[in-house]
Amino acid sequence: AQKVTQAQTEISVVEKEDVTLDCVYETRDTTYYLFWYKQPPSGELVFLIRRNSFDEQNEISGRYSWNFQKSTSSFNFTITASQVVDSAVYFCALSALSGGYNKLIFGAGTRLAVHP
Amino acid sequence: NAGVTQTPKFRVLKTGQSMTLLCAQDMNHEYMYWYRQDPGMGLRLIHYSVGEGTTAKGEVPDGYNVSRLKKQNFLLGLESAAPSQTSVYFCASSRLERTSTDTQYFGPGTRLTVL
Repeated sequence: AQKVTQAQTEISVVEKEDVTLDCVYETRDTTYYLFWYKQPPSGELVFLIRRNSFDEQNEISGRYSWNFQKSTSSFNFTITASQVVDSAVYFCALSALSGGYNKLIFGAGTRLAVHP
Repeated sequence: NAGVTQTPKFRVLKTGQSMTLLCAQDMNHEYMYWYRQDPGMGLRLIHYSVGEGTTAKGEVPDGYNVSRLKKQNFLLGLESAAPSQTSVYFCASSRLERTSTDTQYFGPGTRLTVL
């Protein structure tokens, strides 16, 4: 079975703080894909990153960075120097061969509130 | 470039009524999906399609039907709406990838309330 756990339901920080959103996944497949999506208050889902299981390099994009650790089955997302515009619900998702490629399994999401 | 669009944006139904949600994409994607989003549960796959004329069940298909008569459109139907179908519905599309997973791009969502 495949599963994605985002244990943090809500996080509240003050602007300019760094914040890490946790994502733990379960799959028996050796080839799989991990995603992060952002859902701002306006409601749409915005794609942030796609990572395959063979690429364990951490990735940085501006203030965003992702730490992929296969040893702990985690794909954590860090926002550096958070801003009010980062306030949103963030979803981690998994897709793997046994579940069918192109079928995303989503975590329950983490709501991030960044206060001025 | 519109990407993925959904109509309507909002709808209120009475129990037992029927309706169809329309999803359209202009990216020439082969795959299309319908998800529902409920509080605390993330998104769950209702039905999906891997090409024109094909459909398949996802995780929560009961009470819904779909059709993919044209490549760019994917319709989600509720034949007899129930209060349990109150949710936000998202459509998504992605390219054809047989040996990997491509990124899914989402529409803006439809908020449906069933009274």
